[in-house]
Amino acid sequence: GENVEQHPSTLSVQEGDSAVIKCTYSDSASNYFPWYKQELGKRPQLIIDIRSNVGEKKDQRIAVTLNKTAKHFSLHITETQPEDSAVYFCAASTNAGNMLTFGGGTRLMVKP
Amino acid sequence: GAVVSQHPSWVICKSGTSVKIECRSLDFQATTMFWYRQFPKQSLMLMATSNEGSKATYEQGVEKDKFLINHASLTLSTLTVTSAHPEDSSFYICSANQGGGHEQFFGPGTRLTVL
Repeated sequence: GENVEQHPSTLSVQEGDSAVIKCTYSDSASNYFPWYKQELGKRPQLIIDIRSNVGEKKDQRIAVTLNKTAKHFSLHITETQPEDSAVYFCAASTNAGNMLTFGGGTRLMVKP
Repeated sequence: GAVVSQHPSWVICKSGTSVKIECRSLDFQATTMFWYRQFPKQSLMLMATSNEGSKATYEQGVEKDKFLINHASLTLSTLTVTSAHPEDSSFYICSANQGGGHEQFFGPGTRLTVL
């Protein structure tokens, strides 16, 4: 089955700096890669997603890049703010059942 | 649109009792619903996938007789934790997708504490 690895597990940045979180996946059939932000005790919130026919997608301060050949994708957050502090999860899924396999999560701390 | 609710939001029960958690899609018909379990400071682990009117598909290591899933309608799936024990204490989250699309819409989660 699919295996998704995520790094780093914790990331501390200064407000205004950029943050990058990286994920690798194992199943070459995976074609959908969402990123979620989860605050303590709350549901995961979709912040951006990318499909396998696209190499990069941007939404204001958030961008995701996908390298299908290397089977890795990354989340980039620019001009970080304290409210960006949360746990971020990457995930991957294929067309078969649309099940999501999650990475281990990254705890992002933005210091004011 | 695409709102998923869960009930209850939290529950405390005694060891050996059963607990039922409901997951509802409020404004769309969910062809597939998913149940996840999340332990503190860990990732979401898929427990099972359920399709309306058919038996749930459980992930390896998840006991189907302990975690009973019923998906009787296109808007409701239930997870019953039978004979709950303290090690079942966790955050249970459901999700649903619409029309077979990739995006999953998550419920707010249910925190189960077994004493």
